[in-house]
Amino acid sequence: QQPVQSPQAVILREGEDAVINCSSSKALYSVHWYRQKHGEAPVFLMILLKGGEQKGHDKISASFNEKKQQSSLYLTASQLSYSGTYFCGTEEGDNFNKFYFGSGTKLNVKP
Amino acid sequence: DAGITQSPRYKITETGRQVTLMCHQTWSHSYMFWYRQDLGHGLRLIYYSAAADITDKGEVPDGYVVSRSKTENFPLTLESATRSQTSVYFCASVPNSYNEQFFGPGTRLTVL
Repeated sequence: QQPVQSPQAVILREGEDAVINCSSSKALYSVHWYRQKHGEAPVFLMILLKGGEQKGHDKISASFNEKKQQSSLYLTASQLSYSGTYFCGTEEGDNFNKFYFGSGTKLNVKP
Repeated sequence: DAGITQSPRYKITETGRQVTLMCHQTWSHSYMFWYRQDLGHGLRLIYYSAAADITDKGEVPDGYVVSRSKTENFPLTLESATRSQTSVYFCASVPNSYNEQFFGPGTRLTVL
């Protein structure tokens, strides 16, 4: 089942922080996060596995609360290069026939 | 060059015609995927393959056919294209489960 992302869109100034949320009504094995710039393919950011693991990548980090089937992506001190659409992808099983992407969160970082 | 490629990058066709989109990866990844991306729907899985000769349906398989006779290739065929299949199609590959998916550059398909 497609996870729900919020907010749908965010406008930030450089240096500001943002949080993007992803929630599912199903039990999850893992949550993936991708960023897509206009006209390009999605690019992997990170994956969080069952176990409540928190991961980080420069100033972008994420958490996964498997009890609530929720994940959050944290962008701190945003840069212009962070602009794009962020997608979460959720795995409900241990193979890919139950892998779903959310509809995306459009992030626009302004100078 | 190593990576994942798609061809053609752009295609315009007419309703009822058969169209095949190609995907090729050089990493020998086990899993390959086809997604379609439409405004407001994000990426939706059409079909995926766990290995050569093993394919399975995703969320939106109707109207599409896939095959995978070789590990590196995963063609997607629209047997009789419809206007609702106008979309951007992405191919992706991954070595195994719980790993990042590597996406191809996409094919923009327009069905008139």
